[in-house]
Parts: sequence; C-alpha cells; structure tokens
Amino acid sequence: GAGVSQSPRYKVAKRGQDVALRCDPISGHVSLFWYQQALGQGPEFLTYFQNEAQLDKSGLPSDRFFAERPEGSVSTLKIQRTQQEDSAVYLCASSLWVTVSSYEQYFGPGTRLTVT
Amino acid sequence: EDQVTQSPEALRLQEGESSSLNCSYTVSGLRGLFWYRQDPGKGPEFLFTLYSAGEEKEKERLKATLTKKESFLHITAPKPEDSATYLCAVQGGQYGGSQGNLIFGKGTKLSVKP
Repeated sequence: GAGVSQSPRYKVAKRGQDVALRCDPISGHVSLFWYQQALGQGPEFLTYFQNEAQLDKSGLPSDRFFAERPEGSVSTLKIQRTQQEDSAVYLCASSLWVTVSSYEQYFGPGTRLTVT
Repeated sequence: EDQVTQSPEALRLQEGESSSLNCSYTVSGLRGLFWYRQDPGKGPEFLFTLYSAGEEKEKERLKATLTKKESFLHITAPKPEDSATYLCAVQGGQYGGSQGNLIFGKGTKLSVKP
C-alpha cells in the first residue's frame, strides 16, 4: 500500500522567506510525527499529533516553527522567516497508535530544505 | 535525560564478513527499541522493534538483540546491498504519557565491499 509521502522533496528558500512542508501519512494512522535531521546526525523530534490534537511540541526550536493537522490526516510544518540554521531534512512519520504499547513509526522520504 | 549512543560511527566490511553494531541507551521506562535502515536521500526504513531484555528478532541476514542497557544488530555474511546507515532509536515515557517520539542515535554507516 501507499507509504508516507512528503512534498516538496526539495526546497530552496532565501533567508527570511516563509516555507510550508506537507506530509500525507499512511491512511488510518492516528499518530503523526515531525523530525529534523541534520547532515550526519540522527533525526531529532520536533512535534507530535494524535489525530488533530498536537500533544507535544517540545522539540520545535523556536516560535518561527508551527505545525498543524486540522482534519487529523494531512499535516503541514510551517517555518516563518527562515534562517540558515533551518537548513536540514525534515522527516514526517506516522504510526497506527501510541498508547501503553509501542507502535513502529513509518517515515516519509523527507523534504530537504536549503536556506541561502 | 534519555540518550542513545551508537558505535562504531562507520564500519567497513568485506562481503561475507560478519559483524555487529552496538546501540547503548539510557531511558526512563523503555517502551520500545527500534532499528531503522537509511539509504542516502531517503527516509529511515523500519527493520525491528524490541520490547524487553532477552528478546531477539531476525530478518534475512540481520538479527537484533536487546539487553537492559544495549542492543546489538548482528549482520551475518553481509552483501554490498546491505550498505546503508543503521539507526537505533528508543521510545520512552510513562504509561498514559504523550511521549511517543523516538530518540535516535547518530547511526552507524556500514559499507560492504564485494
């Protein structure tokens, strides 16, 4: 079946521009996560949704980062007034559920953001 | 603080030369330990979940094991197509908590030469 999809795959932004990154999770997956991956590093958590509720946004690096999932399916990560340090790969992952037991997260291909 | 450390950072093997990758972790209330494979320019691909010490899982040439402090990914008779970065991650948090996020190590970059 279809996996997690992300668009655009590549984005070049000039410093100060706003960008919006889209994530389409696996159909029926309740939980959705955003991660940031710098070159040569492991992914780092940004934020987490359960359906449309944003339950954890502790990883967002500044108030320039904003995420939403208004209908509990597609999610958008928005970065305002981009800075060079925002350059990274942004990964979206979805999982069936997150409760007492643990469910594996399935990742999309990522969006590579380059801020010039 | 929850933490994951992977070693070695990079590993070069000859085809058929078996080896192991290490993942050491500290986490409050382990809910799961995950292994992923990541190819250049792609997102992490799920391999295994381990839940409790003593658990083992296998898939083709890969076998993952778990103790209370670390996990190993054993690669038996690797092939060039096994070349990738292998990521280890833990999911912690107390029962009923919202902490669903994974905490990743930096990965081990594996190269298998023919």
